[in-house]
Amino acid sequence: KNEVEQSPQNLTAQEGEFITINCSYSVGISALHWLQQHPGGGIVSLFMLSSGKKKHGRLIATINIQEKHSSLHITASHPRDSAVYICAVSMEYGNKLVFGAGTILRVKS
Amino acid sequence: DGGITQSPKYLFRKEGQNVTLSCEQNLNHDAMYWYRQDPGQGLRLIYYSQIVNDFQKGDIAEGYSVSREKKESFPLTVTSAQKNPTAFYLCASSFLGTRQFFGPGTRLTVL
Repeated sequence: KNEVEQSPQNLTAQEGEFITINCSYSVGISALHWLQQHPGGGIVSLFMLSSGKKKHGRLIATINIQEKHSSLHITASHPRDSAVYICAVSMEYGNKLVFGAGTILRVKS
Repeated sequence: DGGITQSPKYLFRKEGQNVTLSCEQNLNHDAMYWYRQDPGQGLRLIYYSQIVNDFQKGDIAEGYSVSREKKESFPLTVTSAQKNPTAFYLCASSFLGTRQFFGPGTRLTVL
């Protein structure tokens, strides 16, 4: 079993829809990261959080430490949100990241 | 213009050749990392360095080597001992304990 599991693997949405991507982990962590990878391959860090909730524009990330679960929400989705969204955790000891396999999101206009 | 750069963007290698991928950052970050990405899999850590002249193996270090002679540079050599080197390689950097910044990646193909 992978230490970081994401669901769904693939997601197709219509423009304007509310989107949720889930991430569960099984190890002790110091922080959880949400990353975005566009078709060209470059990766951008969206959020780093260790508790509660963070918001940036139309993106919201939440984490429940007790349940070892995080969600990434996109409100009013747009075709430019189409990308791979990756969940990663910083291990409790050390500086390493462990990555989920990613969720491929396609938003249709 | 601060950031992290990788070169080349595309690299082709014949079997049995060593190749070196470049990674440079001007963010004054202490830590640098090399990851490998294969289709349908999460990124996997090859090597990381938290300080100049020191580096540690990640989860899949076999067939790879690195050096950290300067704070801003962390080149990765893919040796002929790496049996399946075709992949997308990403370099990242960070201050210790903070979010990582990623380069644009190098796509390596073995011919």
